[in-house]
Amino acid sequence: EAQVTQNPRYLITVTGKKLTVTCSQNMNHEYMSWYRQDPGLGLRQIYYSMNVEVTDKGDVPEGYKVSRKEKRNFPLILESPSPNQTSLYFCASSSVTVSYEQYFGPGTRLTVT
Amino acid sequence: DQQVKQNSPSLSVQEGRISILNCDYTNSMFDYFLWYKKYPAEGPTFLISISSIKDKNEDGRFTVFLNKSAKHLSLHIVPSQPGDSAVYFCAARDNYGQNFVFGPGTRLSVLP
Repeated sequence: EAQVTQNPRYLITVTGKKLTVTCSQNMNHEYMSWYRQDPGLGLRQIYYSMNVEVTDKGDVPEGYKVSRKEKRNFPLILESPSPNQTSLYFCASSSVTVSYEQYFGPGTRLTVT
Repeated sequence: DQQVKQNSPSLSVQEGRISILNCDYTNSMFDYFLWYKKYPAEGPTFLISISSIKDKNEDGRFTVFLNKSAKHLSLHIVPSQPGDSAVYFCAARDNYGQNFVFGPGTRLSVLP
């Protein structure tokens, strides 16, 4: 089954404690991306990657890091989380040769206290 | 400042009638537009898209219209069904940066 998986689905952590949210896709997609969803703001793109070892900033990259060492994985790293990073996070992937439609993961709800 | 706007936070429609969801954008570099549907506790799912070189795209009950001069697009759902009740996001692709910008969403409620 074609899918995007994220782990963990729920995470409560404290300010300053480094964390990683994993994302994996099994569709051989070149494009992968991270979004955060906040009330009234919709989805805002954090980082995206056009292919392995190619990453670029989205609209809200501050406080986040990503890496793309393999085509299927695109982890999101919060080196020193802060309460304003409490949000619902989505990973997505798409093919750049077929269409631009993105397949989204189920989301990770992060709470930073 | 939001580059993609959905000015109606919510919309209620009777089952069987037409639902019209609107989206406005400001960036002339947007070259592709997409609509996504989102149910609670799930990720968004792709619905329909349109290239900036077209003005209409149809897929079953869903039609998207693009008015480039007005920087406006709309999603029509005919006939509306209770299962269409969800949050709908309009999204645009920036041809220059290859990134995507989403609107804040419109919550559609289709009443039986």
